[in-house]
Amino acid sequence: NAGVTQTPKFQVLKTGQSMTLQCAQDMNHEYMSWYRQDPGMGLRLIHYSVGAGITDQGEVPNGYNVSRSTTEDFPLRLLSAAPSQTSVYFCASSFGTGRHEQYFGPGTRLTVT
Amino acid sequence: AQSVTQLGSHVSVSEGALVLLRCNYSSSVPPYLFWYVQYPNQGLQLLLKYTSAATLVKGINGFEAEFKKSETSFHLTKPSAHMSDAAEYFCAVSASDNAGGTSYGKLTFGQGTILTVHP
Repeated sequence: NAGVTQTPKFQVLKTGQSMTLQCAQDMNHEYMSWYRQDPGMGLRLIHYSVGAGITDQGEVPNGYNVSRSTTEDFPLRLLSAAPSQTSVYFCASSFGTGRHEQYFGPGTRLTVT
Repeated sequence: AQSVTQLGSHVSVSEGALVLLRCNYSSSVPPYLFWYVQYPNQGLQLLLKYTSAATLVKGINGFEAEFKKSETSFHLTKPSAHMSDAAEYFCAVSASDNAGGTSYGKLTFGQGTILTVHP
């Protein structure tokens, strides 16, 4: 199993540009989520999904969209990039909520200039 | 609502010394608690988790943590630090499966503690 994969690993955007961060998992996990990591702030939940076709907002959803058309894929879209979105983004998946361990991807380092 | 506070953004120990990383949580429902480790330029890896069974939880690489409900704490310890333990450590809380409400499905992280190990 490849686990959780993310592409790209690095990205530089100009303010106002849009892009999609890709996330895929091959463990047949129902639950997937996106976090952003900023120094001194830990990881903050952006959006999550409890199954195909079902998504919900996390703590910091503004400026981001998600969709979940398949169990395997959970892309994160930046609609109009802003410097405040400069961060490291992690995708994670798990068998379910609550007690289950989340498996993390390697991350995407995004810089918005 | 749930939250996590990690006391000390940086902890420095000598190799062979005790490691103690502090975590306090707040949760309106019975929590599940996790410790994750992040090595430089990598994703997060699970060290251990508490899911309402034994209050003393043993994890990988010699780490353990004790759930203390009365103190709302879940501190991480290791008797003897190794150079390879140098990393950033995150405590996280998740609401139990039957919690429902606004906590359902959400994992909340603390701010992280960077552990430095000196020779």
